Order: sequence, then structure tokens, then C-alpha cells
Amino acid sequence: ETGVTQTPRHLVMGMTNKKSLKCEQHLGHNAMYWYKQSAKKPLELMFVYSLEERVENNSVPSRFSPECPNSSHLFLHLHTLQPEDSALYLCASSQRDINEKLFFGSGTQLSVL
Amino acid sequence: GIQVEQSPPDLILQEGANSTLRCNFSDSVNNLQWFHQNPWGQLINLFYIPSGTKQNGRLSATTVATERYSLLYISSSQTTDSGVYFCAVGVMGSNFGNEKLTFGTGTRLTIIP
Repeated sequence: ETGVTQTPRHLVMGMTNKKSLKCEQHLGHNAMYWYKQSAKKPLELMFVYSLEERVENNSVPSRFSPECPNSSHLFLHLHTLQPEDSALYLCASSQRDINEKLFFGSGTQLSVL
Repeated sequence: GIQVEQSPPDLILQEGANSTLRCNFSDSVNNLQWFHQNPWGQLINLFYIPSGTKQNGRLSATTVATERYSLLYISSSQTTDSGVYFCAVGVMGSNFGNEKLTFGTGTRLTIIP
């Protein structure tokens, strides 16, 4: 148990589907992140929320839409994805002082058919 | 942007052996973290170590910031140490803390019984 919970663990979706990934942190942190991990590539930061405000959006396509209703919950809404979006999507949290340990969830393995 | 190189890319060791993993980076950093990703995808934060030396059980890490490298030592390896080890760095002068972490491509460690 790392304190960051992601659901579902696995997701298979067609290109016309709409689905959502969920993340919940139980660590009392005030910053949450979405990362994408593709085969043979370094982890890529997608979105950052601090105190429920988005502070970073690394040129992510609009077919990925994040939502942070409160400091403990983070969602990633997916629609009309492409097969190249298949990857492991990881949620993380930290206490947003400058430079603090980052804690990850177990990830959602996404396959887009 | 900052370049992060990890070596070796792959390492296979017998149980009980010691190992040293290296992370080189191309700029001054004020944030450096080591992570272990187990075979199920879970990323565990091992150390937050922008400088100096830390130890946690059989693991220790040293960062020589002036020479732009960090080392992760694993002693008396166990099969549960298998997985991929990542370092991630944040650039000096950044006000964004974890938002600007750049990950290396990792070292894949396999411990054979």
C-alpha cells in the first residue's frame, strides 16, 4: 500500500469509447500528477495539479482531459484515443513545497484497439 | 533541457551480489530522486537525494552534485530487488519542484536465485 490508489488496473477500449481513470491519495498531499509510461521511453509528465489548480500541461492532446475535484482525487477522462496512446498511466502525489518526494500509484495499463 | 543518462541499461546478478547503478545528468540540479519499479509496474520512491549520502537498509545512495552524478548501491541482492531503477532530476533555478522532474530511461536489474 503506497497511499496512492489507481483504478482500474487494466483497461481495454476502442477508439470511439469514453472512459475515465481514477486516482485517490491518502497521504494528505496537495499536488497530484499524471504520467505516461510507454515502452522504451522515459516517463512523461502529462498534467500537474496543485491545490486543485492545474499548473502544468505538457502539450497533451485534447483527447486527454484531467479533472481534480479536490486535493485527494484526480481523474483522467479519455475519449477518441488512438492505438499509440496505449501505455501505462501513472498517478503520483507530493507535498508541493519545492522539491519533495514523489509517490506513485500502481498505474492503469491501457490498451486502445 | 537537461539530459539524464543511466548505466548500465541492463544488469543480471546472482542473489547475494552487490551492485552499483549510476545516474549522470547534464546540468546543476536541486532535486534528485531514485525509484524502483517492480515487475507489476509499481514505482516506489527509494531516496530523495539532491546531494550527500543516505542509507536505508541494504540500499544506499550518494549524489555528487558538483560532478553531476548519483550512485545507487544495492548490497546482498535479493530476488525482490529485480525490476527497473529510475533516477529523476529537477534543474537548479526551477521554482516548480516536482513539476519539472526529468526521468532517465532506467537500469533493468534481474536477480537470479
